[in-house]
Amino acid sequence: DQQVKQNSPSLSVQEGRISILNCDYTNSMFDYFLWYKKYPAEGPTFLISISSIKDKNEDGRFTVFLNKSAKHLSLHIVPSQPGDSAVYFCAASASGANNLFFGTGTRLTVIP
Amino acid sequence: KAGVTQTPRYLIKTRGQQVTLSCSPISGHRSVSWYQQTPGQGLQFLFEYFSETQRNKGNFPGRFSGRQFSNSRSEMNVSTLELGDSALYLCASSLDRPTYEQYFGPGTRLTVT
Repeated sequence: DQQVKQNSPSLSVQEGRISILNCDYTNSMFDYFLWYKKYPAEGPTFLISISSIKDKNEDGRFTVFLNKSAKHLSLHIVPSQPGDSAVYFCAASASGANNLFFGTGTRLTVIP
Repeated sequence: KAGVTQTPRYLIKTRGQQVTLSCSPISGHRSVSWYQQTPGQGLQFLFEYFSETQRNKGNFPGRFSGRQFSNSRSEMNVSTLELGDSALYLCASSLDRPTYEQYFGPGTRLTVT
């Protein structure tokens, strides 16, 4: 039972344009959400997170939006750069839990 | 500060064999989590250890087990390997609860033939 879903396995974007990666979740107990980026032959690296008390968090070119009523979050990258090409995973957790639930990932390709 | 290290990086085993993977967390981190990554399945949570105790376990058969030592280093073991166990096994460490920022190792690529 996939509690965190990334329905787009891949996304291609032109350099300089906006990349929007989407994530949906089913468990209403989730209250903390994270995005990780993964390059080939490396482990995932933490990118940005958001608590359920917020609906937006920004860090440089990366912004995460959370829509709790829709159980949906998105990661915006603007402007997109070729070095952003990687697999992006969203993850979620519930208070007091000791594990993260990950989505299946979206492969982003930024075309120069 | 050194990152999370995993050994070995690559492993080829035969069905029915067993395997042990090792993970050394970032110094000072006491929580170690293990994940299995397969194409189309994302990262599936295996188990999490904190101060030598398993705090949480994912939905995997008993063939998958782990342990943590007093220095926070962790091992996971898979017995009676099956072809479907071929995957990238990732270890992640965090200071306390792993539900916030975790730091991942590069993974061990296990191939079962």
